[in-house]
Amino acid sequence: NAGVMQNPRHLVRRRGQEARLRCSPMKGHSHVYWYRQLPEEGLKFMVYLQKENIIDESGMPKERFSAEFPKEGPSILRIQQVVRGDSAAYFCASSPPRTDPGELFFGEGSRLTVL
Amino acid sequence: GIQVEQSPPDLILQEGANSTLRCNFSDSVNNLQWFHQNPWGQLINLFYIPSGTKQNGRLSATTVATERYSLLYISSSQTTDSGVYFCAVAEYGNKLVFGAGTILRVKS
Repeated sequence: NAGVMQNPRHLVRRRGQEARLRCSPMKGHSHVYWYRQLPEEGLKFMVYLQKENIIDESGMPKERFSAEFPKEGPSILRIQQVVRGDSAAYFCASSPPRTDPGELFFGEGSRLTVL
Repeated sequence: GIQVEQSPPDLILQEGANSTLRCNFSDSVNNLQWFHQNPWGQLINLFYIPSGTKQNGRLSATTVATERYSLLYISSSQTTDSGVYFCAVAEYGNKLVFGAGTILRVKS
């Protein structure tokens, strides 16, 4: 039973490029959450999605960041025109449907480095 | 929003020692989880414990929801226990708010 799968594990981008991070939830899970961990800090909520719907994006920066969870395929966190301050670990978590509240399971994270 | 405070901020233990990590939160919660972030950055689920007591091997946790705190106990610590321990809570749903973590170093 595979866990939450994130890729790439490591991504290096130059300032101004785009970064795309992918997250496949655990089998049977239809809720996805993205979190960001800046160096030496705890995790901060970014966005909560269900299939084809953004439920809560209150933690997303207003510009350059977007997220989607299409009917088919993984959830994507997209960062346009990256800046050095975007360097962080981005974690995805998933939970089953109809469990609110319930336990979140996290992937291993994607570590973005902006040169 | 809800505030989460963890203590101590860091802790150094000799292998075999016991420890207690604390998590205080500022409002009532319906979701509380403890995580271990190992030195490779992976987040490991330890406990889902919005209330009550649970045990898993050398680890146990207690949440007293009415008094707004949770405790994580580590007994007979091992070097592999090193890392950062996070408490995370949600007032509603699964939108977790993380504490700043406790950095644990276990020396052999």
